[in-house]
Amino acid sequence: NAGVTQTPKFRVLKTGQSMTLLCAQDMNHEYMYWYRQDPGMGLRLIHYSVGEGTTAKGEVPDGYNVSRLKKQNFLLGLESAAPSQTSVYFCASRPTSGGALGTQYFGPGTRLTVL
Amino acid sequence: AQTVTQSQPEMSVQEAETVTLSCTYDTSENNYYLFWYKQPPSRQMILVIRQEAYKQQNATENRFSVNFQKAAKSFSLKISDSQLGDTAMYFCAFMKHGGATNKLIFGTGTLLAVQP
Repeated sequence: NAGVTQTPKFRVLKTGQSMTLLCAQDMNHEYMYWYRQDPGMGLRLIHYSVGEGTTAKGEVPDGYNVSRLKKQNFLLGLESAAPSQTSVYFCASRPTSGGALGTQYFGPGTRLTVL
Repeated sequence: AQTVTQSQPEMSVQEAETVTLSCTYDTSENNYYLFWYKQPPSRQMILVIRQEAYKQQNATENRFSVNFQKAAKSFSLKISDSQLGDTAMYFCAFMKHGGATNKLIFGTGTLLAVQP
């Protein structure tokens, strides 16, 4: 049981390049989330998904797109990277039943630098 | 809108001593969750403790316990017998009870240093 995994762990992009971050969870959770963490600002929600085939915007969605084609995977895409997207990105998943209801479980993060 | 405030950007404690981290929040909701997450230098976000607002009893997890004051909207974390491995950034977080659209609201964190 690996929990929540993220690929890659580190990435450096040039302005204008594109990339996709992959999040995978093996806990059969319905809900999945993408956050970014910037110094002094805590975590902010980018996009989230309530199930396979569904996505919705969070508080800072501009410049990002997401897809949830399979229940266990949640992809975050940057079509044209900008230096303002330099950040640490976290994926999380949440169960919809059981004793841990409401708890989000986080992946190890991806450190992205855009030059 | 809900907000979470952590007024202590940094704290320091001697090994084996007790330290309390403060958190206050603002909400008009009656049913919600509160969390403390730990983020060590590895940057992994680790759940420390979880509290459901409808439960009056304070949550405890080994050396970690909370003081949940619902009327005062306060949710402090007490770490007993501090260990070097407790050195980390600690985030307080709030989430309304209910569906997936309810998101985690994080405070800005408290950096805790445990001194040998």
